[in-house]
Amino acid sequence: DVKVTQSSRYLVKRTGEKVFLECVQDMDHENMFWYRQDPGLGLRLIYFSYDVKMKEKGDIPEGYSVSREKKERFSLILESASTNQTSMYLCASSPGGSGGAGQFFGPGTRLTVL
Amino acid sequence: AQSVTQPDIHITVSEGASLELRCNYSYGATPYLFWYVQSPGQGLQLLLKYFSGDTLVQGIKGFEAEFKRSQSSFNLRKPSVHWSDAAEYFCAVGPPYNNNDMRFGAGTRLTVKP
Repeated sequence: DVKVTQSSRYLVKRTGEKVFLECVQDMDHENMFWYRQDPGLGLRLIYFSYDVKMKEKGDIPEGYSVSREKKERFSLILESASTNQTSMYLCASSPGGSGGAGQFFGPGTRLTVL
Repeated sequence: AQSVTQPDIHITVSEGASLELRCNYSYGATPYLFWYVQSPGQGLQLLLKYFSGDTLVQGIKGFEAEFKRSQSSFNLRKPSVHWSDAAEYFCAVGPPYNNNDMRFGAGTRLTVKP
């Protein structure tokens, strides 16, 4: 089974702090994703990566950056956390090549910024 | 651009009753279609997917979905709902040429009455 793990299930940070969310997948997938999930808005793509050190902006990249130094690990960074970044953050991975496999999700990190 | 609409934000059904969750998509060609389920506090789990062949697809946990090209719909059904089916359900659409550009609906929250 594909396993996607996220470093924390719950996180509480203060405004202005630098926040790191870590994601690891064990299926040698080329693609990795960070989504933000808010009630009524579904999943919104923040960034994705299709290879080591490669990244593409998603729909809502403002206020976020990412890092992918190794194939299995994809980090989301909030340089200076703000209260409007309080949300559920979901990491996903998928194989490269043609479509059809879908994306495989981690359990999520619920981030609260005070 | 591809998009997904889930018209029902919240549905309540009685345990043992049948269930249908609606999904409409917009895409230029035949897309790959997916249904995911998210239990409280968890990530998304793939229930089923469609990309060609028989328009009625079977998934895990007793769910099925029917692709109707003429209606641009991919509705999820279950003949008899169990209390453990209470969760949020997401429909997603993706292109056939990669697993990157998936679009998710806003989700339908299912409540099951005893």
